[in-house]
Amino acid sequence: NAGVMQNPRHLVRRRGQEARLRCSPMKGHSHVYWYRQLPEEGLKFMVYLQKENIIDESGMPKERFSAEFPKEGPSILRIQQVVRGDSAAYFCASSPSAGWYNEQFFGPGTRLTVL
Amino acid sequence: AQTVTQSQPEMSVQEAETVTLSCTYDTSESDYYLFWYKQPPSRQMILVIRQEAYKQQNATENRFSVNFQKAAKSFSLKISDSQLGDAAMYFCAYRSARTGTASKLTFGTGTRLQVTL
Repeated sequence: NAGVMQNPRHLVRRRGQEARLRCSPMKGHSHVYWYRQLPEEGLKFMVYLQKENIIDESGMPKERFSAEFPKEGPSILRIQQVVRGDSAAYFCASSPSAGWYNEQFFGPGTRLTVL
Repeated sequence: AQTVTQSQPEMSVQEAETVTLSCTYDTSESDYYLFWYKQPPSRQMILVIRQEAYKQQNATENRFSVNFQKAAKSFSLKISDSQLGDAAMYFCAYRSARTGTASKLTFGTGTRLQVTL
């Protein structure tokens, strides 16, 4: 059973470009979480999605950031018009349901560098 | 809102010795879950141990154990017989147990553990 997959692992963008980060949850998992890790900091929650629904986006910046988890295909975190402050590692985690007893399994992360 | 504090940015331990990493948290909830995650240089997040707040008994996983003090809101991680492979960043995390709430994890800022020969 493959783990959570994220691609690309490394992404370089110039200021003003768009960044698309992909997350394929573990097989059988329908809940996806995105976290951001700035340099020398802990992970910060961004958004929680179930298939086709955003459940909690309280950690998402109000502008330029969006996320989706379509019925078919991976979850996408999209950052429009990137700025240098968006440089960070973005982690995706998945779980089979929302219960506390369900561990969140993390992907390897995507390191975004904005030039 | 819940907060998690790790006051030790860096710790060092000799191989085969024991080290304790500190974590405190703030919450108004009575039911919740606490976790320790390990992040090695590969940056993959690995769950080390978890504790349910309603359980008085401290969780143990092989060489890893916790000291959970609910009244003090303290949740420290003890690593016994430290090994070179234990060198990593360690993050303490909190998760609410309230039904219907989002399942997000709230992380501390981490402790970098060095293991020396």
